[in-house]
Amino acid sequence: NAGVIQTPRHKVTGKGQEATLWCEPISGHSAVFWYRQTIVQGLEFLTYFRNQAPIDDSGMPKERFSAQMPNQSHSTLKIQSTQPQDSAVYLCASSLGYEQYFGPGTRLTVL
Amino acid sequence: GDQVEQSPSALSLHEGTGSALRCNFTTTMRAVQWFQQNSRGSLINLFYLASGTKENGRLKSTFNSKESYSTLHIRDAQLEDSGTYFCAAEAASSSFSKLVFGQGTSLSVVP
Repeated sequence: NAGVIQTPRHKVTGKGQEATLWCEPISGHSAVFWYRQTIVQGLEFLTYFRNQAPIDDSGMPKERFSAQMPNQSHSTLKIQSTQPQDSAVYLCASSLGYEQYFGPGTRLTVL
Repeated sequence: GDQVEQSPSALSLHEGTGSALRCNFTTTMRAVQWFQQNSRGSLINLFYLASGTKENGRLKSTFNSKESYSTLHIRDAQLEDSGTYFCAAEAASSSFSKLVFGQGTSLSVVP
């Protein structure tokens, strides 16, 4: 079991560019979560899918951020027109029941 | 909103000693997870508890939903225990398994 896979591990973008982050959940897990970690805000929930359906995106910034889960083997988080304040580690987690298992994260740096 | 108050924020232990970390919840929580974040930033699952106490090697965790707290005890600390420890809880009022994280405890184990 490879665990949750996230790619890329590091991404540097210029202000105003688009960033797409990928997550491959643990095989068989029905739920996928996205979180963001910064020094100031700590770990924050962004959005959640169960059986590929979006359940709640209450933690997502209303503009520029979107997430999809086109099939059970991957989810994407897209940030349009990136801003320096989007710099963070973006973490994906998956679960079969309630316990969540996290990937290594993608460190996004917006210059 | 749902809040998780974690203490202490930082802790230094000599090898072979022990201590406890604590999380207090300002709302009723359904379950709690404890993680260690290592130097590479990966969140390692330590415990998932819906109630009671679990023990794994030198670690022991308790979750008391009625009194709204959880603890993580570390005994016989080793150098490799250094890292940041997070508790994260699921609100009982949530219809899904979103985790609300504490701010973390930075543990340094010294010789």
